[in-house]
Amino acid sequence: DVKVTQSSRYLVKRTGEKVFLECVQDMDHENMFWYRQDPGLGLRLIYFSYDVKMKEKGDIPEGYSVSREKKERFSLILESASTNQTSMYLCASSLFRQKQETQYFGPGTRLLVL
Amino acid sequence: AQKVTQAQTEISVVEKEDVTLDCVYETRDTTYYLFWYKQPPSGELVFLIRRNSFDEQNEISGRYSWNFQKSTSSFNFTITASQVVDSAVYFCALSEFNRDDKIIFGKGTRLHILP
Repeated sequence: DVKVTQSSRYLVKRTGEKVFLECVQDMDHENMFWYRQDPGLGLRLIYFSYDVKMKEKGDIPEGYSVSREKKERFSLILESASTNQTSMYLCASSLFRQKQETQYFGPGTRLLVL
Repeated sequence: AQKVTQAQTEISVVEKEDVTLDCVYETRDTTYYLFWYKQPPSGELVFLIRRNSFDEQNEISGRYSWNFQKSTSSFNFTITASQVVDSAVYFCALSEFNRDDKIIFGKGTRLHILP
């Protein structure tokens, strides 16, 4: 079974703090993704990566950065958290690039920025 | 442009009733993939099915079935004899071939199964 884990289920941070959200997958997947989910807006892609040290912007990359130093780990960074970044963050991974493979999701991190 | 429409925002049915969740998609590509995911209250998206555009056969898995109609660009999901554990948000999604593996999700349908 594919296992995608996220470092925290719930996180509370203050405005201006630097926030790290970690995601790890254990199935040697090439692709990894970060989404945010908000009521009425569905899932929106922030960034994705198809290889170590590679990253591609998604639909809403502003205010975020990512890091992929190892194949199994994909980090989402909020350089200076703002209240409008309060959201549910979901990480996903899929097997091969350019194959439209199924994305498998982690449990999500509910981030509250005060 | 890609688009996935789930017109039903919220549905409530009584346990043991059948329920169909609608999904309509838009794409100009001839090769694409369609997905359904379930998001229970715990929050994790659970993969249910992946179907490619060349396979129009209906799929059945236990109480779940999917009806793919290319002519109407629809990929509907039916739960037979619904159970309380089926209560969740269900997402339909689309991925086009050679588009950087992006998946476009519908807004989801929240399904309440009432005991």
